[in-house]
Amino acid sequence: SQQGEEDPQALSIQEGENATMNCSYKTSINNLQWYRQNSGRGLVHLILIRSNEREKHSGRLRVTLDTSKKSSSLLITASRAADTASYFCATDASGGSYIPTFGRGTSLIVHP
Amino acid sequence: GAGVSQSPSNKVTEKGKDVELRCDPISGHTALYWYRQRLGQGLEFLIYFQGNSAPDKSGLPSDRFSAERTGESVSTLTIQRTQQEDSAVYLCASSRLAGVNEQFFGPGTRLTVL
Repeated sequence: SQQGEEDPQALSIQEGENATMNCSYKTSINNLQWYRQNSGRGLVHLILIRSNEREKHSGRLRVTLDTSKKSSSLLITASRAADTASYFCATDASGGSYIPTFGRGTSLIVHP
Repeated sequence: GAGVSQSPSNKVTEKGKDVELRCDPISGHTALYWYRQRLGQGLEFLIYFQGNSAPDKSGLPSDRFSAERTGESVSTLTIQRTQQEDSAVYLCASSRLAGVNEQFFGPGTRLTVL
């Protein structure tokens, strides 16, 4: 089973609205990363948040991490049509694993 | 500088043929990963290389799959006797350090097995 699972699987919003995606995981982690993928091709790294951090910002992106609930959220504020993509979280299990585990992703559509 | 490149970008082959996919990581990146992504699915880990250490092959789905990497340079993923279920996008990623750090992905190779 997947270590990280994104929710919802699909999200459709209007330009200017905020988009929130969630990621839940099962085991303790060292860090959690969010990636974006356009058109089923290569992924682009967005943010890495470490297990001792609770919140990080990057431009219009805000990521939170709640290790007690084993969950993370990605908020995109003031969305744009160009934000249309699939968003994945990737976690690495604590204990020295060098292999991140990706969820199935959230497909975001932003309508102009 | 140049990012991760992969070739070919698309490959159509007949069932039973062998295919070889290539990945050129970012220069100086010690870690290299191969993933498979089926349509509408997440990334499935295949194999991980770290410098000159023995690769982690735990994700390879069958003995038809193999991969090589010479030092910290090019890697090739070979699929022998391809099957229709091998159809997917094969993604390569590299990262600067050992351990889980930001991964830089190539554009992928879309493999179609007829």
